[in-house]
Amino acid sequence: EVQLVESGGGLVKPGGSLRLSCAASGFTFSSYSMNWVRQAPGKGLEWVSSISSSSSYIYYADSVKGRFTISRDNAKNSLYLQMNSLRAEDTAVYYCARARLQGRSDYWGQGTLVTVSS
Amino acid sequence: SYVLTQPPSVSVAPGQTARITCGGNNIGSKSVHWYQQKPGQAPVLVVYDDSDRPSGIPERFSGSNSGNTATLTISRVEAGDEADYYCQVWDSSSDRGVFGGGTKLTVL
Repeated sequence: EVQLVESGGGLVKPGGSLRLSCAASGFTFSSYSMNWVRQAPGKGLEWVSSISSSSSYIYYADSVKGRFTISRDNAKNSLYLQMNSLRAEDTAVYYCARARLQGRSDYWGQGTLVTVSS
Repeated sequence: SYVLTQPPSVSVAPGQTARITCGGNNIGSKSVHWYQQKPGQAPVLVVYDDSDRPSGIPERFSGSNSGNTATLTISRVEAGDEADYYCQVWDSSSDRGVFGGGTKLTVL
């Protein structure tokens, strides 16, 4: 059974940093690209970042480019999102998801809440 | 940047057919995916590549895509189908994922 479990969310002040993790199991993690998608409270889904299976290809939304860094450790079956210079508008539930062809996400974690507030 | 436009809400009576549209410039040339999200839950992929269904998704869910509009069709709607639905594409010209704004399906 495919499982994705996010962790690392919490309350952080504006300008602060946070590192999210996503532990994957039930599939060969090193064979799949991965996505981060977020959802602000009461709002829709927003694609954040994608990383290919070997980390050769990395993409970011304009809203986070230069502040967020996606990475992965295939030996640990883990996906990460380093978030720096956080803003109030980054407040959201952050989901990791397994990526398939044409950018679709076929399995999602339950999400971790990031709150940016003073 | 590429924009996907969905109606904010769609209402349908049980047993009827719901159609949720997703508009985008020449979206027919892209692969469209649809997600269902119920309150407090993670999204679930219900249709991918315009019209394919993942295993476990009822045949009542179907999709089409042509021209500037993609459509998710839910036949014989049930109360349990009440949820938010999002369309999504990968914009290869900018290498960005794009989601529509979402449609709240209400079962009357």
